[in-house]
Amino acid sequence: QQQVKQSPQSLIVQKGGISIINCAYENTAFDYFPWYQQFPGKGPALLIAIRPDVSEKKEGRFTISFNKSAKQFSLHIMDSQPGDSATYFCAASMMGGTSYDKVIFGPGTSLSVIP
Amino acid sequence: NAGVTQTPKFRILKIGQSMTLQCTQDMNHNYMYWYRQDPGMGLKLIYYSVGAGITDKGEVPNGYNVSRSTTEDFPLRLELAAPSQTSVYFCASSPSGQGAYEQYFGPGTRLTVT
Repeated sequence: QQQVKQSPQSLIVQKGGISIINCAYENTAFDYFPWYQQFPGKGPALLIAIRPDVSEKKEGRFTISFNKSAKQFSLHIMDSQPGDSATYFCAASMMGGTSYDKVIFGPGTSLSVIP
Repeated sequence: NAGVTQTPKFRILKIGQSMTLQCTQDMNHNYMYWYRQDPGMGLKLIYYSVGAGITDKGEVPNGYNVSRSTTEDFPLRLELAAPSQTSVYFCASSPSGQGAYEQYFGPGTRLTVT
């Protein structure tokens, strides 16, 4: 129930195309859904996050779409650029309650944007 | 503001040796975490701390120990290293409360146990 599923495992997109990464969760107690971006040799860094009462959030070329009833959310990268090549992790977090404020990470998607 | 710093960057250990991975943050965050990252497996939580003097186990704590004597430092101790502990280790910190989902990661320590 604490798992976050993510697909695809790897993705190759042409420059200028749209990259789409999908995630799913089971536990309805999750109340924040962040995405992290990790470049080779670096630690992950927060990219964008969404609350479950919002269906879409856009920041520049990055958009999160959220479907609460299906317990699914996705990251869309518009006009993908070679500099977007990285590993992307979706995550789900649970603030407060009886356990600590935890973040559960998906297994990651390796994105390669080719010229 | 250095953020989260980790030392060393790389280390090779022999089976049975011990070592401490250092982690320091200068953002005055209450929460700190240790993760390991194996290829295709995402980030697995080893230990976490919600404040000085308070630590608890995560998903994969066996073979590791932690302490948190100050807000800034959160060292991870490996006792009796095994090949299964070959991994990249990340330390992270976050503010408590509503901002806890925003974790700040260090650059990682690549550990090989042979």
